[in-house]
Amino acid sequence: ETGVTQSPTHLIKTRGQQVTLRCSSQSGHNTVSWYQQALGQGPQFIFQYYREEENGRGNFPPRFSGLQFPNYSSELNVNALELDDSALYLCASSPVTGGSTEAFFGQGTRLTVV
Amino acid sequence: DQQVKQNSPSLSVQEGRISILNCDYTNSMFDYFLWYKKYPAEGPTFLISISSIKDKNEDGRFTVFLNKSAKHLSLHIVPSQPGDSAVYFCAAPPYSGSARQLTFGSGTQLTVLP
Repeated sequence: ETGVTQSPTHLIKTRGQQVTLRCSSQSGHNTVSWYQQALGQGPQFIFQYYREEENGRGNFPPRFSGLQFPNYSSELNVNALELDDSALYLCASSPVTGGSTEAFFGQGTRLTVV
Repeated sequence: DQQVKQNSPSLSVQEGRISILNCDYTNSMFDYFLWYKKYPAEGPTFLISISSIKDKNEDGRFTVFLNKSAKHLSLHIVPSQPGDSAVYFCAAPPYSGSARQLTFGSGTQLTVLP
């Protein structure tokens, strides 16, 4: 059983550009969440996808958007990048059953905006 | 507004001694808490959780204590081992028994000295 994998692992973008980050959820997991972890901070919840629909969102502007595909993999898209978007982006997947008590995280994508 | 706070950014302890990591929360609606451990270049991994119906939960060397009246929880590691050196996050979901849409603290870097 493969775990949660994210790509790419590192990325450098210029302010104003757009970026797409990818996440493959753990086998059998139908819920994917994305988090942003700035340096020295804890992860902050961006949004969650369940059955290809967004079903929860944190305090992030609309230029942060996502997709979930039928195989439960997911993308995080960020438009009009700002310097403050530089962070580690983490994807987490949860099992099918409701009230899952665990979330399994990928290793993250380190995004640097210059 | 930080709803989950870890006021100690770092902690150093000697191998074999007890490590105590603290976490405070302000949202009285939180009734389920999780601790995650994070090594560099890896995603957070689930360590232990506690429901508000308990005041203690133990798993091997790890014990979490919850003081609801003080809105405080602590993670005890006994005995501490060098491999425990990592960043520890406490987190709370909006729904009891869930690990989704987590609110994280800012983390405590634990260093266990041999």
